[in-house]
Order: sequence, then structure tokens, then C-alpha cells
Amino acid sequence: AQKVTQAQTEISVVEKEDVTLDCVYETRDTTYYLFWYKQPPSGELVFLIRRNSFDEQNEISGRYSWNFQKSTSSFNFTITASQVVDSAVYFCALSEETSGSRLTFGEGTQLTVNP
Amino acid sequence: GAGVSQTPSNKVTEKGKYVELRCDPISGHTALYWYRQSLGQGPEFLIYFQGTGAADDSGLPNDRFFAVRPEGSVSTLKIQRTERGDSAVYLCASSLTWRDEQYFGPGTRLTVT
Repeated sequence: AQKVTQAQTEISVVEKEDVTLDCVYETRDTTYYLFWYKQPPSGELVFLIRRNSFDEQNEISGRYSWNFQKSTSSFNFTITASQVVDSAVYFCALSEETSGSRLTFGEGTQLTVNP
Repeated sequence: GAGVSQTPSNKVTEKGKYVELRCDPISGHTALYWYRQSLGQGPEFLIYFQGTGAADDSGLPNDRFFAVRPEGSVSTLKIQRTERGDSAVYLCASSLTWRDEQYFGPGTRLTVT
């Protein structure tokens, strides 16, 4: 069965600090997809990134970067030079090839960036 | 372009009543999903449509829940004999095809009193 664990329930940082959000997943499939979504206080989930299981290259997009390591079943998300606008709940999610496109989400990490 | 829209944004109903929640996906998206999010939790999958047919309804909690997408675009989630435990935010998402990333709507907050 697929499972996503986000062990950090809440993280609080001061603006301009770097912060890493952890995500560990479980799956028996060899083909799967990993996602990160942001849920700001307004409530709408915002898509950030999708990676497939065959692409372990790290990705950088502006202040955001993602580290995918199959050996440890982790897909961690780092925000560099955090800003107050980064404050939100961040969700990691997984979909398996054999389960179609249904997403299994982690419990989320509440990130608070203080000025 | 327009994103996923959901109506109503809030719905308060009495225990035992019937409710309908509507989702308008992004134009051209063939796949549509319903999720339910309780306070402090991640979204939980309910049902997935590919075109007009429900390709996976394994997440529906019981037979009080039903969803349709008659023309392959707009979808309606229907809940009969609502219970207080049904209170949650109901999220709709769509994707271009089942292999693509899902884009979420703002959700409908359902409160059963």
C-alpha cells in the first residue's frame, strides 16, 4: 500500500533562513510519481512539482529545490532565503502507476516564516 | 485561463439532509477528481473520472456518497442523509490526462449541524 510520511508537523523560521521539508514515501511499484503542493491560508492547493520514479535529478526553481533519493525513499523540499509569503501548509503526495492517478497525501507541514 | 471552480464555497446543512457539490474543471481536462480534507489532515481521495465514467470510486466512504459527470466536464458530488462526520472541505481537481499533474479548486466547506 502507498503511504507518505511528513514527520515535521510544524516548522517556524525567521525570514531569509533556509528550510527543508522532509517527505518519506512507501510504495511497491517501480513506476510512481511524487508531488509537492502548497496550501496557503486561502486554502487552495497550489501545484509545485511532479517527479517520476525514473528521474532522480534534483530540481531547482528559483528559491525552491527538490532532492529525490530512491535509496532512502525521500523527496525533500528546500526553500532558500525564506520569505513571509512562503508561510503555508506544504503537502507531499504520491501516485502509483498501478493505482491510476489517485494521489495519496502526507499529513502536511505547517511552515511559518516570521519577519 | 480559468482554473477549477467549485460551488458553493460554503454549505451548511442539517443532519439527514441531501447536498450537492459542483465542480467545473479546467477546460479541456479529461480527468477529474474529488478529495475530502478534514481539519489538520491531508486530502483523501474519493473518486476519479476519466471522461464521463468513474474510473476509480474506491475512496467513497459508503453508499451515501455518489458522483456524476454526465457530459465529461462538470461534475456533481452528491451526499445523501448527511451526518456530522461528513463535515469537511471537499476538493475537486482536474488534469489534462490521467498522467498529468492535478490542479485543485478552492474547495467547498461542508458543515453538517
